[in-house]
Amino acid sequence: SQKIEQNSEALNIQEGKTATLTCNYTNYSPAYLQWYRQDPGRGPVFLLLIRENEKEKRKERLKVTFDTTLKQSLFHITASQPADSATYLCALVQGSGYALNFGKGTSLLVTP
Amino acid sequence: GAVVSQHPSWVICKSGTSVKIECRSLDFQATTMFWYRQFPKQSLMLMATSNEGSKATYEQGVEKDKFLINHASLTLSTLTVTSAHPEDSSFYICSARKDGLFSNQPQHFGDGTRLSIL
Repeated sequence: SQKIEQNSEALNIQEGKTATLTCNYTNYSPAYLQWYRQDPGRGPVFLLLIRENEKEKRKERLKVTFDTTLKQSLFHITASQPADSATYLCALVQGSGYALNFGKGTSLLVTP
Repeated sequence: GAVVSQHPSWVICKSGTSVKIECRSLDFQATTMFWYRQFPKQSLMLMATSNEGSKATYEQGVEKDKFLINHASLTLSTLTVTSAHPEDSSFYICSARKDGLFSNQPQHFGDGTRLSIL
């Protein structure tokens, strides 16, 4: 069966450091992968999309890598800030439609 | 742009009540919308795909007679939880994708509805 695995343990880092979150998947051959941010009691907010032919994608302090051989994506937040504290979700398209399968998410806590 | 509004944000009601949740795309058309459910500390789980003008497609294990979906216009989908019971208590989230774009586009999510059945 298709699986998306994210480190379910919370990641605690100090402000200013780089946070690195991991997403591994099995039984997918995705054309692209997406990352979302979810705050408590809110819906997910889209952050970045990376295509299978892209090794890396950047947006401001965010960087995503995509290794289709390892079946893994890494999500980096550089110069992290307390406002970056949230749950980050990795998502892949499910089946032949457009619906998304999500990982459980990794909770990030950035402390001053 | 790409705002999705979900209403209500919080519902508390008695067991046996039917509850309707609305999902609106405010500034774009969405032929396809999605309904997800999320339990505490769990991932979003797709319940159904809502298609404007046709029947919704339900995921395995989701009762279509329990969770009624109506997508009557290009900007509105509704989810009705019929005869709700405490086990239906959850966080329900809708999303929409813009029409006319390639498949590799993000989805835009509402802020969810917290449903609590007493």
